[in-house]
Amino acid sequence: KAGVTQTPRYLIKTRGQQVTLSCSPISGHRSVSWYQQTPGQGLQFLFEYFSETQRNKGNFPGRFSGRQFSNSRSEMNVSTLELGDSALYLCASRLRGDGMHEQYFGPGTRLTVT
Amino acid sequence: GQNIDQPTEMTATEGAIVQINCTYQTSGFNGLFWYQQHAGEAPTFLSYNVLDGLEEKGRFSSFLSRSKGYSYLLLKELQMKDSASYLCAVSIPSGGYQKVTFGIGTKLQVIP
Repeated sequence: KAGVTQTPRYLIKTRGQQVTLSCSPISGHRSVSWYQQTPGQGLQFLFEYFSETQRNKGNFPGRFSGRQFSNSRSEMNVSTLELGDSALYLCASRLRGDGMHEQYFGPGTRLTVT
Repeated sequence: GQNIDQPTEMTATEGAIVQINCTYQTSGFNGLFWYQQHAGEAPTFLSYNVLDGLEEKGRFSSFLSRSKGYSYLLLKELQMKDSASYLCAVSIPSGGYQKVTFGIGTKLQVIP
């Protein structure tokens, strides 16, 4: 079974631009969560989607948004990029959305904002 | 707010035993996860504890005390490949669902 895939793997953007990251979960998994990982803050929860509905949202500004499609693939968008948005963005999928099952992480998208 | 604390760095010797502690103060609790993350790679699942006690899985064991808000991950017979970050994460109720909140992670270095 194929794992979680994320595209692109690396991205360099300029302040003020916007970016869209994509995540394809493991086949059959309906829950997709997004995290931002930085050396100083660790993994910070962005949001979770289940069956195209956002179930939870972390403490990030409205510049961060996401969506999930009917095939469970998910995208996240960051508008008006800031230098502090430079981070590794990880998505994770799980079979069920009950929080009691392990998450399977993708390799991440390394975003650099200059 | 949610607070999950774990040491930022630890060093241990190959063949030895190391215990990585995690304490949490959260508004609600469903369970606690441990993940391993090698440098430049994605986190991978190690264990999940819901009830108090010790769960053993090969060289790795995880312990939970819900009353104390405390968990530890025990690694036995350390190998060089165990050098990685170990992430403690708590599943908490949120908005009718559950949300997983991670600690900052403990970077373990195994030395010969």
